[in-house]
Amino acid sequence: DTAVSQTPKYLVTQMGNDKSIKCEQNLGHDTMYWYKQDSKKFLKIMFSYNNKELIINETVPNRFSPKSPDKAHLNLHINSLELGDSAVYFCASSQGPGRSPNSGNTIYFGEGSWLTVV
Amino acid sequence: RKEVEQDPGPFNVPEGATVAFNCTYSNSASQSFFWYRQDCRKEPKLLMSVYSSGNEDGRFTAQLNRASQYISLLIRDSKLSDSATYLCVVNRNTGFQKLVFGTGTRLLVSP
Repeated sequence: DTAVSQTPKYLVTQMGNDKSIKCEQNLGHDTMYWYKQDSKKFLKIMFSYNNKELIINETVPNRFSPKSPDKAHLNLHINSLELGDSAVYFCASSQGPGRSPNSGNTIYFGEGSWLTVV
Repeated sequence: RKEVEQDPGPFNVPEGATVAFNCTYSNSASQSFFWYRQDCRKEPKLLMSVYSSGNEDGRFTAQLNRASQYISLLIRDSKLSDSATYLCVVNRNTGFQKLVFGTGTRLLVSP
């Protein structure tokens, strides 16, 4: 059973299109994330949700809109795709948001969605 | 300057060798530290947490030096299957955990 699953795995689309990536976790975790890994392999957090509530929103263009219908799902919608959006997008989850100092919850990643904008 | 810096490598070592990676971080308020492993075209996976007193997990030893703000990973008796990219990760906990990843150090273990 895949713990964190995301679809599609590969997506090739034209500039200007709107696309969505879906993510589901069956670990019973409260917190979900979207990370972006660019061509230089730099992995950076985009958003984090805890129990459907947005708790981290990094400096991301507002063309990117996450949506969490319930705590097991976190989808990412991207409007007006640009060439620079080409990257691997990883969904992830953890038991909790790690509120206390020194607490860190292990983050489990999905297999990634390879987005290519042409 | 990146918040978490690593030598990108690649480190090319023969099987059985001992190899060490270092990582430095700039935010002295960072609370917790990890090494993740990422295989080619795969997702990152937690390798081990890093504790102030140092910790070991089989052939892997992690060390943390808070004063100098660096983290290390030592791999003994390298196996072919250790070939991967090793990501140094720092938890910048500012209310909620926010993992900051280094760009990774690539390890290639050859027969």
